[in-house]
Amino acid sequence: GAVVSQHPSWVICKSGTSVKIECRSLDFQATTMFWYRQFPKQSLMLMATSNEGSKATYEQGVEKDKFLINHASLTLSTLTVTSAHPEDSSFYICSARDVWISSDTQYFGPGTRLTVL
Amino acid sequence: GNSVTQMEGPVTLSEEAFLTINCTYTATGYPSLFWYVQYPGEGLQLLLKATKADDKGSNKGFEATYRKETTSFHLEKGSVQVSDSAVYFCALEPQGGSEKLVFGKGTKLTVNP
Repeated sequence: GAVVSQHPSWVICKSGTSVKIECRSLDFQATTMFWYRQFPKQSLMLMATSNEGSKATYEQGVEKDKFLINHASLTLSTLTVTSAHPEDSSFYICSARDVWISSDTQYFGPGTRLTVL
Repeated sequence: GNSVTQMEGPVTLSEEAFLTINCTYTATGYPSLFWYVQYPGEGLQLLLKATKADDKGSNKGFEATYRKETTSFHLEKGSVQVSDSAVYFCALEPQGGSEKLVFGKGTKLTVNP
């Protein structure tokens, strides 16, 4: 089946630094990728939608200058948390969709836990 | 707006017990409905889905029926196993194929031997 990986799985950084999280589709081409944020015991909240070769679409309330998303190829999307602060600590999850496999199924990565000190 | 409400957890059951996890939604028209499962240390996996009213999704012994009249999509399994221990998320995709999933908060299920 379709596999999505994320790297790193866990990252700890100092306040003020930037962190890049990678999301890869391993055995399919992901025309669309999604980035979610999950707080403890809370639901997944969609942050942004990225389509290969175009700018990401951010959900209301998500700072696009803080959460930079790049979807440069059909198998890779990156989320960069710029000038991270402790309130950015969270679990970040990506998902990918390939319309050639199924038009309404998203395949999720295992998530990246970010801790900002 | 669109929203999903699912029962608060955690839920603890003994092996072979009957499972129900309630899920209700708010959305206009006919959204697609999903149940995702997240095993410890893994990403979310699609468990089952239904795309129109009265459809029943099923997989691995789990079932859920799309009830338009009660705006519900309750997850059921007749006999749970220890390996079913996970967090279960109900989700919807609004009608029109926006691709944007709206999730419930998740329900943690623990099955004891």
